[in-house]
Amino acid sequence: QQQVKQSPQSLIVQKGGISIINCAYENTAFDYFPWYQQFPGKGPALLIAIRPDVSEKKEGRFTISFNKSAKQFSLHIMDSQPGDSATYFCAALQVLGDYKLSFGAGTTVTVRA
Amino acid sequence: DTAVSQTPKYLVTQMGNDKSIKCEQNLGHDTMYWYKQDSKKFLKIMFSYNNKELIINETVPNRFSPKSPDKAHLNLHINSLELGDSAVYFCASTGTGNYGYTFGSGTRLTVV
Repeated sequence: QQQVKQSPQSLIVQKGGISIINCAYENTAFDYFPWYQQFPGKGPALLIAIRPDVSEKKEGRFTISFNKSAKQFSLHIMDSQPGDSATYFCAALQVLGDYKLSFGAGTTVTVRA
Repeated sequence: DTAVSQTPKYLVTQMGNDKSIKCEQNLGHDTMYWYKQDSKKFLKIMFSYNNKELIINETVPNRFSPKSPDKAHLNLHINSLELGDSAVYFCASTGTGNYGYTFGSGTRLTVV
């Protein structure tokens, strides 16, 4: 049973465009929502994360938007670059619970030059 | 200096064999994990150890047995390998107050 649902499965964006990936969760006990970036042959690497007490967090070209009432969060990649081509995973965990990181299914982003 | 290192990076073996994957972290973290990434890239937790104690054991066949000799090491032993065990296995770790997981670069296991 997948606790975090992610869409789309893949997307193609032109260089300079905006990539948007959406995630939804059911478990209201989740209180930490990270995004991971994975390049081929590498492990997932933490990109950016948000706690549910804020609605938006921005780090460089990457922004997380969080909607607690809708139980949804999204990643926006602004000014997408070819080096951003990777698989992106949203995830969630309970900080004061089992601390088990549950992942979405992943989105493969391809940035065309 | 690699934070979470796994060996080997690639493992090709025949059905029925027994194999081990090793993981070491030099971050001083207390908790270590094994995740399995299937051919569709889905990541699923298998086990978690906190300071050598097993705390998460997902529905994984008994052929998989983790062992943590100390808090910096977590190994995964797999008996009687099956074709369906082919996947990439990732080790990860977290520390107190550090919510983000740090992942190793993975071990690609191919069972033929």
